[in-house]
Amino acid sequence: GAVVSQHPSRVICKSGTSVKIECRSLDFQATTMFWYRQFPKQSLMLMATSNEGSKATYEQGVEKDKFLINHASLTLSTLTVTSAHPEDSSFYICSARDKQGIINQPQHFGDGTRLSIL
Amino acid sequence: LAKTTQPISMDSYEGQEVNITCSHNNIATNDYITWYQQFPSQGPRFIIQGYKTKVTNEVASLFIPADRKSSTLSLPRVSLSDTAVYYCLVGDGVSFNKFYFGSGTKLNVKP
Repeated sequence: GAVVSQHPSRVICKSGTSVKIECRSLDFQATTMFWYRQFPKQSLMLMATSNEGSKATYEQGVEKDKFLINHASLTLSTLTVTSAHPEDSSFYICSARDKQGIINQPQHFGDGTRLSIL
Repeated sequence: LAKTTQPISMDSYEGQEVNITCSHNNIATNDYITWYQQFPSQGPRFIIQGYKTKVTNEVASLFIPADRKSSTLSLPRVSLSDTAVYYCLVGDGVSFNKFYFGSGTKLNVKP
């Protein structure tokens, strides 16, 4: 089945550090990937849509200069949390869809990255 | 975008059949219904997807009435390992539509 890999799975760093999270589709190509954030005991919140070869589109209230997204290839999207602060601590999850575009292809999710800012 | 409503939590016992219902009153003509399972500190895992009537796979069944304003995920003979949060999502299966997650249903399976 379709596999989406995230790296790293856990990051602990000091306030002010920038952190990069990678999302890879291992056995399919993805024109579009999505980034979510999930706080403890809450649901997933969509942050942005990552489009291969073009700018990401951000959801309302998500700072694009804070959360930089790059989708340079059909199998890799990266999310960089710039100058991270404790309030950015969260569980970040990506998802991807096979670019084949067969009707009703589901999104496949990575296993998330736990970001802890001290 | 269609909004979904699910019960916040459900309790069950091992070996029972569990039915989780999701309401999506403003589902659009092109929207498919997709269910995901999420364990703590993991990403959601695809369970099943359907458009109308009934869909069955090796782990679950999905029942969708004719008006498509609701759907029911049926898990046969649950085990302790089925304790998780279950999310119902609706979206356009053609245009890479974004998913907006609702609260999900926390299923607690007891021995």
